[in-house]
Amino acid sequence: SAVISQKPSRDICQRGTSLTIQCQVDSQVTMMFWYRQQPGQSLTLIATANQGSEATYESGFVIDKFPISRPNLTFSTLTVSNMSPEDSSIYLCSGTERGNTGELFFGEGSRLTVL
Amino acid sequence: AQSVAQPEDQVNVAEGNPLTVKCTYSVSGNPYLFWYVQYPNRGLQFLLKYITGDNLVKGSYGFEAEFNKSQTSFHLKKPSALVSDSALYFCAVRGSGGFKTIFGAGTRLFVKA
Repeated sequence: SAVISQKPSRDICQRGTSLTIQCQVDSQVTMMFWYRQQPGQSLTLIATANQGSEATYESGFVIDKFPISRPNLTFSTLTVSNMSPEDSSIYLCSGTERGNTGELFFGEGSRLTVL
Repeated sequence: AQSVAQPEDQVNVAEGNPLTVKCTYSVSGNPYLFWYVQYPNRGLQFLLKYITGDNLVKGSYGFEAEFNKSQTSFHLKKPSALVSDSALYFCAVRGSGGFKTIFGAGTRLFVKA
């Protein structure tokens, strides 16, 4: 199965600052996605990270707030910009192997607390 | 639009008893259905999936799920629950024409010794 690693695993941030989360996947992963899991909630898809081009954002998420990069097949970053306490969540990087029938593999998540 | 419903916030079962965690879905085209488990302070782990074929699929840790097309359901089951099965379970769906996976709200399973 695919291996996905994320960092940081957790951080405490000040209001108004930005934080970048890094995600490294192994070469079996083709598609990468970023999800948010707010406290006590389910997972909400933020965007699909596209290699070498702009990410595809879901309704309610915009590039200015959540800029995403994927410069190569195995690496992606998510930045949470101008953070507010409402951004306190777990951010999860995930990926699938070849084809769209594959299950998602997840990183351990990045737990952000915004004060 | 795709959607997933998990009607129970919480399921309580005694160890050794069978368990069922319910899931219904709505999707255009053929559904690809998944179950994931999340332990405290961990990411999600894949349990099993239905893509095509037999309606009863078997997965990790003795879990299985039954696909019912007419009822648009994909309930998770286990014949004999363990205390260590206590966790948060998510049902998820992807349409056959796309790559986005949508998750249900999650069901917390408590298995009592």
